[in-house]
Amino acid sequence: GAGVSQSPSNKVTEKGKDVELRCDPISGHTALYWYRQSLGQGLEFLIYFQGNSAPDKSGLPSDRFSAERTGGSVSTLTIQRTQQEDSAVYLCASSILRDNEQFFGPGTRLTVL
Amino acid sequence: GQQVMQIPQYQHVQEGEDFTTYCNSSTTLSNIQWYKQRPGGHPVFLIQLVKSGEVKKQKRLTFQFGEAKKNSSLHITATQTTDVGTYFCAGRGQAGTALIFGKGTTLSVSS
Repeated sequence: GAGVSQSPSNKVTEKGKDVELRCDPISGHTALYWYRQSLGQGLEFLIYFQGNSAPDKSGLPSDRFSAERTGGSVSTLTIQRTQQEDSAVYLCASSILRDNEQFFGPGTRLTVL
Repeated sequence: GQQVMQIPQYQHVQEGEDFTTYCNSSTTLSNIQWYKQRPGGHPVFLIQLVKSGEVKKQKRLTFQFGEAKKNSSLHITATQTTDVGTYFCAGRGQAGTALIFGKGTTLSVSS
């Protein structure tokens, strides 16, 4: 596609449920990032994938958060047993290589009731 | 761990006035990137600085990277209403892992 796409655009869930957020990066981009942005706040780094290397998971806030990147392309961010403090916009970005500019998707707005 | 601080958090200016946002890192950076996020939008890449003391210009925007590669600034000359948004700096440490974003400076412009 022309840009990074994310789905769903909005997700409302009940506390305690699991959610999966999807990111389709730009074709050919080897690096993929997940960030979290709370209302009026900056970008909180969550996890970073680079090619076939082991992902940098240093930003994941708890073991309820996990992410996969299959076939070096699509990525899924999973949040288990969601809590109200997980409510935020989850942004995905990709770049050709690690140090290049990042192209962001439109984000998934997650609301945990 | 590496931290990137940005000031001010908010800035309101009259159209035509200048605006500057500052970014400071606790550690030396290999490079720094700047992004702009319009209200309701997602961050969009503006520029990347790599060299010590580097200065780059994009029309009314001037970006600087400090000599010690620990700070950076974005200066907008004669702001316009189209400049409204949040400006983020993002730095990558020498270890070369994740890009760490500052909390951003939100600019509002009144005409």
